[in-house]
Amino acid sequence: GNSVTQMEGPVTLSEEAFLTINCTYTATGYPSLFWYVQYPGEGLQLLLKATKADDKGSNKGFEATYRKETTSFHLEKGSVQVSDSAVYFCALGNQAGTALIFGKGTTLSVSS
Amino acid sequence: DTAVSQTPKYLVTQMGNDKSIKCEQNLGHDTMYWYKQDSKKFLKIMFSYNNKELIINETVPNRFSPKSPDKAHLNLHINSLELGDSAVYFCASSQNVPDGKGEAFFGQGTRLTVV
Repeated sequence: GNSVTQMEGPVTLSEEAFLTINCTYTATGYPSLFWYVQYPGEGLQLLLKATKADDKGSNKGFEATYRKETTSFHLEKGSVQVSDSAVYFCALGNQAGTALIFGKGTTLSVSS
Repeated sequence: DTAVSQTPKYLVTQMGNDKSIKCEQNLGHDTMYWYKQDSKKFLKIMFSYNNKELIINETVPNRFSPKSPDKAHLNLHINSLELGDSAVYFCASSQNVPDGKGEAFFGQGTRLTVV
């Protein structure tokens, strides 16, 4: 069945450091892939998405490229800020009549 | 103007009580969901409705009963609350994309604490 695996956290970085959060997936066909972010005490917000192979999603300095050959959708940011501290979820959508499947989430903590 | 709104935001109640959480979306979406987020932040789908019809009913205790009076509303009623029901419950909605690949929009969550 479909599944998403993302790196365990927490990830602790200093401000302006480079961020990578790994995400790999298992799915038949060509799913859509998403990164969601959850700030403390809030709901999930869509950060970026990609709908086909080699697509690059980007938003707020974050990027992720849909790599079908490695079944990956790693999240990157060149220079993190304290305000990026949050939980990040990788997700996939693949079949009519099903809900998005989420990874377990990665907590990012950025210190100044 | 909130897209997906759920009430209440916080709910503290005693074991054995019955409680409801309400959700409304003004996005015109056809599909709505309830997710449960545990203390480790893991998100688990519970239910989904499409145009008022139940399409996803995961393995959850039958003390949980969703109700969708119209496609803009999806409520969650919980009977005989137990300590293990303590969690954050999220409502979400999405457009009825035929291939299931559309993004979901989430409410702020309801933090349920059973004491």
